[in-house]
Amino acid sequence: DAEITQSPRHKITETGRQVTLACHQTWNHNNMFWYRQDLGHGLRLIHYSYGVQDTNKGEVSDGYSVSRSNTEDLPLTLESAASSQTSVYFCASSNSGGTAQETQYFGPGTRLLVL
Amino acid sequence: LAKTTQPISMDSYEGQEVNITCSHNNIATNDYITWYQQFPSQGPRFIIQGYKTKVTNEVASLFIPADRKSSTLSLPRVSLSDTAVYYCLVGDRGTDKLIFGTGTRLQVFP
Repeated sequence: DAEITQSPRHKITETGRQVTLACHQTWNHNNMFWYRQDLGHGLRLIHYSYGVQDTNKGEVSDGYSVSRSNTEDLPLTLESAASSQTSVYFCASSNSGGTAQETQYFGPGTRLLVL
Repeated sequence: LAKTTQPISMDSYEGQEVNITCSHNNIATNDYITWYQQFPSQGPRFIIQGYKTKVTNEVASLFIPADRKSSTLSLPRVSLSDTAVYYCLVGDRGTDKLIFGTGTRLQVFP
């Protein structure tokens, strides 16, 4: 069955370290998204991609980067982790839509703690 | 960015109808309104989507007024398993970005 996976599921790191969170989907979806979820803020969009070699900034992109070298993967990199980046990170994917907003399928999440 | 606001929490009893409203004052003209459900330690999952008027599927209804500045998710006859956080998702007219609402925590009591 097609799915979307994230790894690791839990990560503890130290301030200043580079961290990469993986996201892999087997639906062959063109669109992929990264969100962070914090108490009191709901889900906020970090970066998104509408296809290979395409990346776009979301609402809270500072301190994060993504790259899209193939359809299946959109890794999220924290260049220099900060305590403010402690959060739960969700990856999602969706099909390319016409005018309709396509359904997003979410991964199980990665819980990141920056000490 | 659009302000997409929802009530923080709601309580209900099993068998009752629950209506959750989302206010989206700057929604993109051509974008749809989508609602998601999220259980603890899981990613959100799709419930329903609509553009205007009313949409109904096997689990919920979605009511959207003509000005599209709000939408109401209606859950008929809720059960304990409907206890979750519910989010609306809309496109922002200014930035074209998708913005999730603040989320509504629904607690269903027996």
